[in-house]
Amino acid sequence: SSDLTQDPAVSVALGQTVRITCQGGSLRNYYASWYQQKPGQAPILVIYGKNNRPSGIPDRFSGSSSGNTASLTITGAQAEDEADYYCNSRDSSGNHLTFGGGTKLTVL
Amino acid sequence: EVQLVESGGGLVQPGGSLRLSCAASEFTFSDYSMNWVRQAPGKGLEWVSYISSSSSAMYYSDSVKGRFTISRDNAKNSLFLQMNSLRDEDTAVYYCARVMVEWFLSEYYYYMDVWGKGTTVTVSS
Repeated sequence: SSDLTQDPAVSVALGQTVRITCQGGSLRNYYASWYQQKPGQAPILVIYGKNNRPSGIPDRFSGSSSGNTASLTITGAQAEDEADYYCNSRDSSGNHLTFGGGTKLTVL
Repeated sequence: EVQLVESGGGLVQPGGSLRLSCAASEFTFSDYSMNWVRQAPGKGLEWVSYISSSSSAMYYSDSVKGRFTISRDNAKNSLFLQMNSLRDEDTAVYYCARVMVEWFLSEYYYYMDVWGKGTTVTVSS
């Protein structure tokens, strides 16, 4: 089981906004990072820190954090955003990492 | 292009051993800590192990501690994962990933910005 909890599946209509959440005690001390993974591919980083996007990630992706919950928001979801999304942070010990169970995003 | 390429995966019997490698290119490998992350078939991502840039610190998940050993050779831009006493549940795609640690004002950021494509390990009799 994960120390970070994500909804297993979320759907969004094309062009609408969707929020994917991640809950866990370690998020009170550490920012989450978010990874997108499409079938058969390696994960790619989409959000890190308070709300930072690596170069090449569209600005429709944003992040936020409050208390023990981190959120990834996609504003104006596109068909190519359909993927699994994982949150990740240091665990409570600080020496280990933990991933959320992943959220499968379907774009309708 | 900054790149990580894993190799060494394959089919191994339970109780057997395997050594994975991760070759880094187009960045100063010795400046970065590294992680191994795995993904069992149809499952989510699971952190496996961490090594600091100078090999002074190494950490392992509870599921592999005592069986797996992480190491690196900075002169050869390579990361390794020695896997012993393999179990069925170690079957997974294994990814190496570069660790980024940043301080911005008083905020601490930890993330993995570069990932390899993965190498597949199958433990089966």
